[in-house]
Amino acid sequence: AQTVTQSQPEMSVQEAETVTLSCTYDTSESDYYLFWYKQPPSRQMILVIRQEAYKQQNATENRFSVNFQKAAKSFSLKISDSQLGDAAMYFCAYNGIAGANSKLTFGKGITLSVRP
Amino acid sequence: GAVVSQHPSRVICKSGTSVKIECRSLDFQATTMFWYRQFPKQSLMLMATSNEGSKATYEQGVEKDKFLINHASLTLSTLTVTSAHPEDSSFYICSASSTGANVNSYNEQFFGPGTRLTVL
Repeated sequence: AQTVTQSQPEMSVQEAETVTLSCTYDTSESDYYLFWYKQPPSRQMILVIRQEAYKQQNATENRFSVNFQKAAKSFSLKISDSQLGDAAMYFCAYNGIAGANSKLTFGKGITLSVRP
Repeated sequence: GAVVSQHPSRVICKSGTSVKIECRSLDFQATTMFWYRQFPKQSLMLMATSNEGSKATYEQGVEKDKFLINHASLTLSTLTVTSAHPEDSSFYICSASSTGANVNSYNEQFFGPGTRLTVL
């Protein structure tokens, strides 16, 4: 079974600074998808960024980028120029290639606070 | 595109009553819907997976007679909490997914805004 580990329960960053959120996973599959979701106080799950395992290039979405290390099974999220609106809970998630109907495996999440 | 709604957003009920939560995919056909439960400051816990027209598949430890799931159409799934008790109070989130290439090339699940259930 796949597992996703987010070992840091909380992190804090100064506004305009950069922060990296860690995530590791375990799988025996060779191809899969990885996601970072943001859950603000409204509790709506928002997709931040996604990565296909067979793509070597790290995904980037504006201020958000990932460092995907397939051999190390690591998928960290970097937030540049942090903004107050980035304060939220962030979840790393894994999905296999079995299809859209396969289950997401979530990490425990990390609470990010942004200091003004 | 790929919008999922949930209704109601909040519900308060008395112990022993049943509560129904609806999850709708508004602009795509959802071949699969997922139901999650989330406690404050914790991760999402998958309760069950439902495919349109089939019986739901429940995760280990989830009482299927307690949490009834119906996925009668490609745009609607319902979760009914039967004989609710205070320990059932939680935040319930649904997500929907589709195998359609125009909707989903990343096995992505699209999440509803959640329903806060309080059982008195």
